[in-house]
Amino acid sequence: DGGITQSPKYLFRKEGQNVTLSCEQNLNHDAMYWYRQDPGQGLRLIYYSQIVNDFQKGDIAEGYSVSREKKESFPLTVTSAQKNPTAFYLCAVTKDRGHYGYTFGSGTRLTVV
Amino acid sequence: DQQVKQNSPSLSVQEGRISILNCDYTNSMFDYFLWYKKYPAEGPTFLISISSIKDKNEDGRFTVFLNKSAKHLSLHIVPSQPGDSAVYFCAAYVGGLLNDYKLSFGAGTTVTVRA
Repeated sequence: DGGITQSPKYLFRKEGQNVTLSCEQNLNHDAMYWYRQDPGQGLRLIYYSQIVNDFQKGDIAEGYSVSREKKESFPLTVTSAQKNPTAFYLCAVTKDRGHYGYTFGSGTRLTVV
Repeated sequence: DQQVKQNSPSLSVQEGRISILNCDYTNSMFDYFLWYKKYPAEGPTFLISISSIKDKNEDGRFTVFLNKSAKHLSLHIVPSQPGDSAVYFCAAYVGGLLNDYKLSFGAGTTVTVRA
């Protein structure tokens, strides 16, 4: 069935490690987004991509990197430069006219150990 | 600078009564407003939206009101049910052909419906 899949659901990272969060969609939507949720702060935009091989920084891009080599995939790498990576990460997609907003994945909980 | 604000972090309401969630925004360029509902450890799901050319939109038990002059919108849930217990996010974006559909979110309001 159509949808957006994030994996893994839970991820643990050691200090100094890079980790990659997966986001895959089969909705054939053009635009994909990565958000981070922290308690009391709502959702903040990390990176987004409107088309393949193109992406833009969001409001809190420092310490993160992305790629968009395929329409279906938009992986997010949390690098060691991200000082406070423990959070809930959400991937979303939208059609070219987002009147109904985004369709979100089920999220990845990243914890630094 | 947060452009969408939900100043009430929590709301407790009795089952069957009305829940009113409030949201304020600062960017006068926003022309679409949305409400999302989120359960713990899940992604948000779309609830209802409203265009800036309207002042009210209704969908079943959910009604959203928009007051552009006050830069304020509210979500009414009538009657409230136990399954409505969740975090509700207000969001907005600027439309138009050149828009990249970046949603700005509020911090969320946690609703608890008491039996």
